[in-house]
Amino acid sequence: QLHLQESGPGLVKPSETLSLTCTVSDDSINNSSYFWGWIRQPPGKGLEWIGSLSHSGTTYSHPSLKSRVTLSVDTSGNQFSLKLSSVTAADTAMYYCAKTFGVVIAWGQGTLVTVSS
Amino acid sequence: QLVLTQSPSASASLGASVKLTCTLSSGHNNYAIAWHQQQPEKGPRYLMRVNSDGTHDKGDGIPHRFSGSSSGAERYLIISNLRSEDEAEYYCQTWGSGFYVFGPGTKVTVL
Repeated sequence: QLHLQESGPGLVKPSETLSLTCTVSDDSINNSSYFWGWIRQPPGKGLEWIGSLSHSGTTYSHPSLKSRVTLSVDTSGNQFSLKLSSVTAADTAMYYCAKTFGVVIAWGQGTLVTVSS
Repeated sequence: QLVLTQSPSASASLGASVKLTCTLSSGHNNYAIAWHQQQPEKGPRYLMRVNSDGTHDKGDGIPHRFSGSSSGAERYLIISNLRSEDEAEYYCQTWGSGFYVFGPGTKVTVL
């Protein structure tokens, strides 16, 4: 059964770049029917879509984050990644990776990223 | 603009049923949505996709107690025979033109 696992530093300093990787197990990231995405949830708040990408590298990002977001895919490693630059305390959140078929159909367990000096 | 609206809270007694509503913004009546459950201190879980014609496709292992339906711009999640573990936040979600949208969530309390 599909498993998504986020990995990356749990603490990032202000103005630096947040980098996360999602490893996909028991499924292929090369399936052209799906997109792979990142969603975050600040403490005590709702869900916010960050961006999504396909196995071929087509990307979409939330307009409010687009200038700071870089999405990439590593098909040989069955992984995809998120980089969010120039972070501030407002970027502190649980970060989830997800598989989408229009709608989100599977979630990773999430990883907490705190932005603090 | 694609927007989803949800009531902030709902409640029902143990063993009863509750119906949650997700409303699509004007001009988006034909959009499918998904429902996700987030229990306290846990990550979200995909429950089902609800199409504009009312059909729905549930995720793996989702109990029969959970069902979906549709009417116009409204998409519904119906939870029957409420259990204590159904106390959670429920989010709807849709997408359009490469843009994904989440509703603000409905907190369900089991009395």
